Amino acid sequence: GAVVSQHPSWVICKSGTSVKIECRSLDFQATTMFWYRQFPKQSLMLMATSNEGSKATYEQGVEKDKFLINHASLTLSTLTVTSAHPEDSSFYICSARADSLNTEAFFGQGTRLTVV
Amino acid sequence: SQELEQSPQSLIVQEGKNLTINCTSSKTLYGLYWYKQKYGEGLIFLMMLQKGGEEKSHEKITAKLDEKKQQSSLHITASQPSHAGIYLCGADMDSNYQLIWGAGTKLIIKP
Repeated sequence: GAVVSQHPSWVICKSGTSVKIECRSLDFQATTMFWYRQFPKQSLMLMATSNEGSKATYEQGVEKDKFLINHASLTLSTLTVTSAHPEDSSFYICSARADSLNTEAFFGQGTRLTVV
Repeated sequence: SQELEQSPQSLIVQEGKNLTINCTSSKTLYGLYWYKQKYGEGLIFLMMLQKGGEEKSHEKITAKLDEKKQQSSLHITASQPSHAGIYLCGADMDSNYQLIWGAGTKLIIKP
């Protein structure tokens, strides 16, 4: 099946620094990529949807200047958490989907971010 | 209110017993997806249902989508410890390719 690679799988950073998370579709072209955030014991919350070559669409309440999303190619999207704070500590998951309804989304393995 | 209601929120089942998880929407779904997750790990795709009345099985897990395409159930037969985890249903609510998620069901299997 299709593979989505997310890197890093975990990262610890200091408050005030920025951290970048990469999401790559390894064997298909992902026109659309999604970034999710998950708090313990809760479901996934969609943060933003990105389409290759255009600006990401952010969900209400998600700060676009804090969570920078770039989808520069059909196989790569990045999420940069800028000026990270401890409350940004969470599990972030990306998913990628070919540009078609009724195709499953393929998920990365997630990134556990801890801000100290 | 949530567009996709998933129940129960948590479930503790004796090993070997059967169980069912439900996912319900007030709207007709374009597609319904079931995923499994262990917290801190990525999601594993289980099954996708598209047509009203469709039923799919994978090993001991069976998922159904009702005729109205508004409700899906995930049924596990003779549960095993490997079935433990969080089960999530996701659905295409419109043509926007954007998945809407249920709240998840935490499944614990007692030995």
